[in-house]
Amino acid sequence: KAGVTQTPRYLIKTRGQQVTLSCSPISGHRSVSWYQQTPGQGLQFLFEYFSETQRNKGNFPGRFSGRQFSNSRSEMNVSTLELGDSALYLCASSLRLAGDTQYFGPGTRLTVL
Amino acid sequence: AQSVTQPDIHITVSEGASLELRCNYSYGATPYLFWYVQSPGQGLQLLLKYFSGDTLVQGIKGFEAEFKRSQSSFNLRKPSVHWSDAAEYFCAVGASGTYKYIFGTGTRLKVLA
Repeated sequence: KAGVTQTPRYLIKTRGQQVTLSCSPISGHRSVSWYQQTPGQGLQFLFEYFSETQRNKGNFPGRFSGRQFSNSRSEMNVSTLELGDSALYLCASSLRLAGDTQYFGPGTRLTVL
Repeated sequence: AQSVTQPDIHITVSEGASLELRCNYSYGATPYLFWYVQSPGQGLQLLLKYFSGDTLVQGIKGFEAEFKRSQSSFNLRKPSVHWSDAAEYFCAVGASGTYKYIFGTGTRLKVLA
């Protein structure tokens, strides 16, 4: 069974632009979570989606948003990029809700210049 | 508030030596506990998990971890480290009824030949 895939793997943007990242979960998984990883803050939870509904959200500004489609694929969007948004964005999928094992994709490395 | 502490930021061991990575958590109920490993530029790979039952859990790559409720710890161990184990290790806690993981800050393992 194919793992979690994320596209693109690398992205370079400039301040003020917006970006959309994509995540395809493991087949059959209905829950997708997003995390931001930076050297200073470590891994921080962004949000989680299940059945096209956002179920939980971390402490990030409204510039960070996401959605999930009926096939469980998910996208996250960051508008008005800031230098501090440079990070590795990780997507994870799980079969069920509530603490189920999450399987991570390789991440998208976003660099904001 | 829920939290995960990995006291050791860096650990260096010689190849063939034993390894123990520490993880302490703070959570009111019985947590779900995980250890993940991340190689440079990669996503997170699940090593092992504890949900309930036997407090000593076996994982992949020869790793094991022991859940000690009285000490709020979930330390990762390996009897003999291989050079390929050099990576960053993350402890995480999840909880029933919530869908996000809280990660520790990670321990970077260096293996000397």
